[in-house]
Amino acid sequence: DTEVTQTPKHLVMGMTNKKSLKCEQHMGHRAMYWYKQKAKKPPELMFVYSYEKLSINESVPSRFSPECPNSSLLNLHLHALQPEDSALYLCASSQVFADSRGQPQHFGDGTRLSIL
Amino acid sequence: RKEVEQDPGPFNVPEGATVAFNCTYSNSASQSFFWYRQDCRKEPKLLMSVYSSGNEDGRFTAQLNRASQYISLLIRDSKLSDSATYLCVVKGFNKFYFGSGTKLNVKP
Repeated sequence: DTEVTQTPKHLVMGMTNKKSLKCEQHMGHRAMYWYKQKAKKPPELMFVYSYEKLSINESVPSRFSPECPNSSLLNLHLHALQPEDSALYLCASSQVFADSRGQPQHFGDGTRLSIL
Repeated sequence: RKEVEQDPGPFNVPEGATVAFNCTYSNSASQSFFWYRQDCRKEPKLLMSVYSSGNEDGRFTAQLNRASQYISLLIRDSKLSDSATYLCVVKGFNKFYFGSGTKLNVKP
């Protein structure tokens, strides 16, 4: 069982829809991440939140809008997506963001997104 | 040059075989090292952290060579259930860098 939970597990949406992906962790981690993963490729970093503040935005298009309402929750708001945005969206968390203690990331089981 | 490089495989091995994967990283200031396992259409799961002294967890042994900037994963007595993609992950101060993954197929 994963300690990072994501909802929904699957999402099909049209290009004009607005939807949100949700992620929750109760491990007390203060860093949370969104990744996008296409088939047969490694995860690609999108956003990093550290102590509920956006620390990294990897030049992600504005049709993806992250939000961190509190230390346990991370949302990704989607609007006017393109077919090439279809992918597995993974949330991850780690104890802290910038540190030298060697703490790993823990991943949720992802949301499989299909854009029609 | 990529931050982390892995042989994509696939490695096709019979049950019971020993198989080893290597991964090289480009930034000598990298601080932490991990192996993750990812099954098809699933999330990456932490397999083990890699320590300078080397570490073992059952059939799995990980080693780090800082001088040559590579890490390795050795799997002994391969099981069918070991079939997966193995991701090498290297952490700098504020970012995790992923290798492209090495696919392992264990055959009966």
